Amino acid sequence: DTEVTQTPKHLVMGMTNKKSLKCEQHMGHRAMYWYKQKAKKPPELMFVYSYEKLSINESVPSRFSPECPNSSLLNLHLHALQPEDSALYLCASSQDRALQDEQYFGPGTRLTVT
Amino acid sequence: DAKTTQPPSMDCAEGRAANLPCNHSTISGNEYVYWYRQIHSQGPQYIIHGLKNNETNEMASLIITEDRKSSTLILPHATLRDTAVYYCIVRYTGFQKLVFGTGTRLLVSP
Repeated sequence: DTEVTQTPKHLVMGMTNKKSLKCEQHMGHRAMYWYKQKAKKPPELMFVYSYEKLSINESVPSRFSPECPNSSLLNLHLHALQPEDSALYLCASSQDRALQDEQYFGPGTRLTVT
Repeated sequence: DAKTTQPPSMDCAEGRAANLPCNHSTISGNEYVYWYRQIHSQGPQYIIHGLKNNETNEMASLIITEDRKSSTLILPHATLRDTAVYYCIVRYTGFQKLVFGTGTRLLVSP
């Protein structure tokens, strides 16, 4: 199983809402990532978890809060978002940060903030 | 991470080889060249990577020049399903960050 799953596929939320994006992998990977992709732009890294610990935060605003409850799951909690946060949110995983291994991406959650 | 330069778009006839160039003139000795692609509305997909030797897998071939300042991704027999944005990325070994450039939009036509 080389699949990264993300739920929901689409999400529409108001600026005062609280919602969460979920990502799951069962490949035994120990590194997991969140990326943000605006329309017609390349993906941009937001967070990296390595062995369930946050290892990279690319200066992401605190209205985005990542969580890694276990080695297979990665959540992104959203609160008080702005319309400019509307984007495709991609999750990825890789085997081990020490190796030159590839990242496997999920299909993404398309988020619209109204 | 070293920066990469790719043409914004390329066309290829179905069944022909697609040769996608990438310039990475500031690459350092420990940086690998990675290629990913992103088909419309999907997550990026890993294709291939290499350090200095040419590499081939079931999807593509990667040709890296001897001075490592540029590389070419070759899709030997392009199909309509290969229409995608192709990203060339240089990455320090063991470093988790993938820094995507603007990529090349490849259009494969019948």
